[in-house]
Amino acid sequence: QVQLQESGPGLVKPSETLSLTCSVSGGSITSYYWSWIRQPPDKGLELIGYIFYTGSTNYNPSLTSRVTISVDTSKNQFSLRLSSVTAADTAVYYCARRGNGSSKSGSLDYWGQGTLVTVSS
Amino acid sequence: DIQMTQSPSTLSASVGDRVTITCRASQSISSWLAWYQQKPGNAPNLLIYRASSLESGVPSRFSGSGSGTEFTLTISSLQPDDFATYYCQQYNNYPWTFGRGTKVEIK
Repeated sequence: QVQLQESGPGLVKPSETLSLTCSVSGGSITSYYWSWIRQPPDKGLELIGYIFYTGSTNYNPSLTSRVTISVDTSKNQFSLRLSSVTAADTAVYYCARRGNGSSKSGSLDYWGQGTLVTVSS
Repeated sequence: DIQMTQSPSTLSASVGDRVTITCRASQSISSWLAWYQQKPGNAPNLLIYRASSLESGVPSRFSGSGSGTEFTLTISSLQPDDFATYYCQQYNNYPWTFGRGTKVEIK
């Protein structure tokens, strides 16, 4: 059973860079796309972007100037960096696996438990 | 971006009820729609993909239908474990976008 686990600081100061890592266990990171999604308190879900195990990325245009997603296949991990954060970036951040195959591609079939990141001085 | 509108935002129902949630897309998304269930403090859980395909391990009381711009998620007989928030998500156009959610509460 594939499991994902987010890790990183729970508190980031305004204007600094948010950094999170997602560790994948129970399966290889290769041959799949891996995503970051966030959910502000009491709000809906927002896709941040995704990465293929080869390193190819696609970001949400609303965040593309501030986002970097990277992958380390040797560690079975992928990471998120979001620069110049403000209070509006306070959210639960989830990592997730994009479904495989033509029908599921774009749906998200395995998720991490999520980690709350608060932006505050 | 494609806007996904769910209705109702909150639904009160009893165990055993048949429940239907609607999701409308601001433009056609063919059948590229997924449904998720989220319980407080937990990550979303994939229920349905490609509008009507049941994810492995999901009870058969859940079903999805629709295409184009209008979709429904139906729970045929609501169980205690089903009280949660449900989200739709389109993956026809990038960036993929989610509805604001429908909270199913105990009546």
